[in-house]
Amino acid sequence: DIQMTQSPSALSASVGDRVTITCRASQTISRNLNWYQQKPGKAPKLLIYAASNLQTGVPSRFSGSESGTDFTLTISSLQPEDFATYYCQQSYSTLWTFGQGTKVEI
Amino acid sequence: EVQLLESGGGLVQPGGSLTLSCAASGFTFSTYAMGWVRQAPGEGLQWVSSISGSGDSTYYADSVKGRFTISRDNSKNTLYLQMNSLRAEDTAVYYCAKDQYFNPPYAADVWGQGTTVTVSS
Repeated sequence: DIQMTQSPSALSASVGDRVTITCRASQTISRNLNWYQQKPGKAPKLLIYAASNLQTGVPSRFSGSESGTDFTLTISSLQPEDFATYYCQQSYSTLWTFGQGTKVEI
Repeated sequence: EVQLLESGGGLVQPGGSLTLSCAASGFTFSTYAMGWVRQAPGEGLQWVSSISGSGDSTYYADSVKGRFTISRDNSKNTLYLQMNSLRAEDTAVYYCAKDQYFNPPYAADVWGQGTTVTVSS
C-alpha cells in the first residue's frame, strides 16, 4: 500500500498567518493527491484535487503544490473558519490512503 | 442540491452483520463512482471501499476485504455497504462519498453526514 506521511500532526497559528502542511508519499503518485478539511463533528470537505486544482467554492487563499513525492497545502492568510483538521489522500492507487491529519489550532 | 443521506448504523455485537445505505439526490447517480470512508472515535479518515458508476468494478481496503461488500442500485440512486463478521475495530462513523468521476475513483467531492456503527457486546 502507498503510505502518506503528513507533517506536522498539529500546529498553532494566528489569524492572518501563512500556514503550510506537507504530505509525503512512499512512492510516486504523479499528481494524484487531494486535500480535505474537516471540522469537529462534520464530514470532510474537498479543498484541492490533483495536487493543485482548487475545488469550486473554495477560497483562493488555499493552494496546493507538488514536488516529486512531496505535496504542500498552503493557506496564505489564515481565517477564523480555517481552524480545522486537514488530510491529504492519494488516488494514484485505487486503494486510497489518507495521511494521518494535521490539526490547525489557535 | 446534491445530497447524500446515510442510514443503517447502530449497535451490533462482534461477529454480527449490518447493512448501511446511502440515498443520493441532485445528480445523475449512475455516472459517478461512489465510496465509503470511516473514522474511528478520535482517529483520522480511513478509506473503506469504492465502486464504479456502473457497479462493475469494486475496490476494498485490506482491513475489510472478504467481510464487507459494496454495491449500488442505480435505479434507486442508492449505495450500500454490507458488513459481516464485524469486529470492535470496525467501530466508526461511516461516510458515504460521491466521486468526481465514473471510474476509477479519484476524489470525494460530496460527502454525507455520516452514520455511526458501534461493535460491542
